[in-house]
Amino acid sequence: GQQVMQIPQYQHVQEGEDFTTYCNSSTTLSNIQWYKQRPGGHPVFLIQLVKSGEVKKQKRLTFQFGEAKKNSSLHITATQTTDVGTYFCAVPAGGTSYGKLTFGQGTILTVHP
Amino acid sequence: SAVISQKPSRDICQRGTSLTIQCQVDSQVTMMFWYRQQPGQSLTLIATANQGSEATYESGFVIDKFPISRPNLTFSTLTVSNMSPEDSSIYLCSVELGGHEQYFGPGTRLTVT
Repeated sequence: GQQVMQIPQYQHVQEGEDFTTYCNSSTTLSNIQWYKQRPGGHPVFLIQLVKSGEVKKQKRLTFQFGEAKKNSSLHITATQTTDVGTYFCAVPAGGTSYGKLTFGQGTILTVHP
Repeated sequence: SAVISQKPSRDICQRGTSLTIQCQVDSQVTMMFWYRQQPGQSLTLIATANQGSEATYESGFVIDKFPISRPNLTFSTLTVSNMSPEDSSIYLCSVELGGHEQYFGPGTRLTVT
């Protein structure tokens, strides 16, 4: 099935610093989704990227999809304590375009005030 | 979006027993999914449950251990059978909406002693 590698596993930052997490696939992806899971919570959908080279912004969050559609990144500018949580990328599983998802390992973000 | 509820929110069970987890959605959806998230880990898809058909299980998961029902378009159950401590985990249901994003229930935290 589809595999996706996500790095780093952990990131500790001071409040106000930037943060980036990366997902890489060995195969071309039809789309990639990003989710955030707060401590003790459930994953919450953030965004979906579909087009090659796509860049989408949500306030301080910037999402990119690589030109080859094999990698993606999530960048947070000037982190805040509310950004704490685990960020997952997710890609279609088993060659499907949509439906079943394979999640990356996640990046656990800690923000020190 | 969708509002999803799960029952129970948590439970402590003895090995050898079974637990049925319920997932209720506030709208009719075609595709429902069941995931497992072991402590500190990513999400692993157990099975896809579509109304009117047998659930489709992922590699490593079998119907005898995780029987699933999907009696209508708003409800599903997952049973964890003959439990062992290795089944201690968070079990999450999710639904896919028209934009292909997934919405997750709050999860069921299961501890097997």
